[in-house]
Amino acid sequence: GQNIDQPTEMTATEGAIVQINCTYQTSGFNGLFWYQQHAGEAPTFLSYNVLDGLEEKGRFSSFLSRSKGYSYLLLKELQMKDSASYLCAPLDSNYQLIWGAGTKLIIKP
Amino acid sequence: GAVVSQHPSWVICKSGTSVKIECRSLDFQATTMFWYRQFPKQSLMLMATSNEGSKATYEQGVEKDKFLINHASLTLSTLTVTSAHPEDSSFYICSVRTSGRAYEQYFGPGTRLTVT
Repeated sequence: GQNIDQPTEMTATEGAIVQINCTYQTSGFNGLFWYQQHAGEAPTFLSYNVLDGLEEKGRFSSFLSRSKGYSYLLLKELQMKDSASYLCAPLDSNYQLIWGAGTKLIIKP
Repeated sequence: GAVVSQHPSWVICKSGTSVKIECRSLDFQATTMFWYRQFPKQSLMLMATSNEGSKATYEQGVEKDKFLINHASLTLSTLTVTSAHPEDSSFYICSVRTSGRAYEQYFGPGTRLTVT
């Protein structure tokens, strides 16, 4: 079957660094997306990894290990506006996004 | 990335009535469109996938006669919730993809449906 595993909720302090981990099992694999979703809004694209390694984009970085079925999203210099849910979504062999429930990130001052 | 709009952004309707939600791809040829539903604190659930000019493919458990999808052009898809009931109250989100670029999927802002 297809499965996504992320922590349900994490708390971090403004200005700090947080790493959100994701493990996945899919039927085939065509890359992995990270999306940010604020309450009551649609997901917005953060990153896409298809090869192993780290992709850095400003304050956000995403890492992928295909052999381990593992990815993480690293957020640096946290800001209050980063409080949101973060969704790890691999793309399966049919190019369908597989969604988990996401990780709710709470930023405290 | 592509700009995707949805209309309306929120709607309240009475039980038994039908509601139409539009999804427009403003600057992107949406050869494939997806319709999702999301209940509070739950993950996105794919309802159906439609390719331009073809009938939609519905996910298991989604009633095709209740959720009518029309993808008549490369820029417009509509989802009609027929005979809506309170349990249909949810956040409906469309997303678009273009041919040959399967790794790019763009989301609309969503439509909040409340059935009273």
